[in-house]
Amino acid sequence: NAGVTQTPKFQVLKTGQSMTLQCAQDMNHEYMSWYRQDPGMGLRLIHYSVGAGITDQGEVPNGYNVSRSTTEDFPLRLLSAAPSQTSVYFCASSYGGQNYGYTFGSGTRLTVV
Amino acid sequence: SQKIEQNSEALNIQEGKTATLTCNYTNYSPAYLQWYRQDPGRGPVFLLLIRENEKEKRKERLKVTFDTTLKQSLFHITASQPADSATYLCALDEWNDMRFGAGTRLTVKP
Repeated sequence: NAGVTQTPKFQVLKTGQSMTLQCAQDMNHEYMSWYRQDPGMGLRLIHYSVGAGITDQGEVPNGYNVSRSTTEDFPLRLLSAAPSQTSVYFCASSYGGQNYGYTFGSGTRLTVV
Repeated sequence: SQKIEQNSEALNIQEGKTATLTCNYTNYSPAYLQWYRQDPGRGPVFLLLIRENEKEKRKERLKVTFDTTLKQSLFHITASQPADSATYLCALDEWNDMRFGAGTRLTVKP
């Protein structure tokens, strides 16, 4: 099992560019989430999904889109990158949401210049 | 507003002692609370989950308590080792929307 795989590991974008952060899991988990982590602010939930075809907003969804067409994949799209989106992004998945712990990917470090 | 507060940014203890980390929350009614460990440059790793009807949960040297009246969870590491040095995060959710505290950085000195 690879667990949760995030790509790329590092990315530099110019302001206004768009990109997609990829997240894939091979554990057949229904629940998937995206978080951003900034110094002193902890992990903040961007979007989450409780199954294929179902997504919902978290705490800080503005500037980001998600879709969940398959159980395995949960990509995060930055529509028009801004310096405020410079952060480390983590994808996580879980078998049953709050009933079970989450497995996290190793993160994508994004810098917007 | 909803808040999850972990008692301190950093905690330094001597090897062999018990580390106690605190997680307090306001304006939540979680059915579950979770604890994670995060090492620098890595994603969090799930450690323990405790349900609202469980007062205490143990796993090896780890012990978690959950007091829904005080709105507080305590996380204990007994017989601490330098390898336990990491940031520990508490997390809770109500409706599949899981939120994290900012974490406590634990350093265990030999």
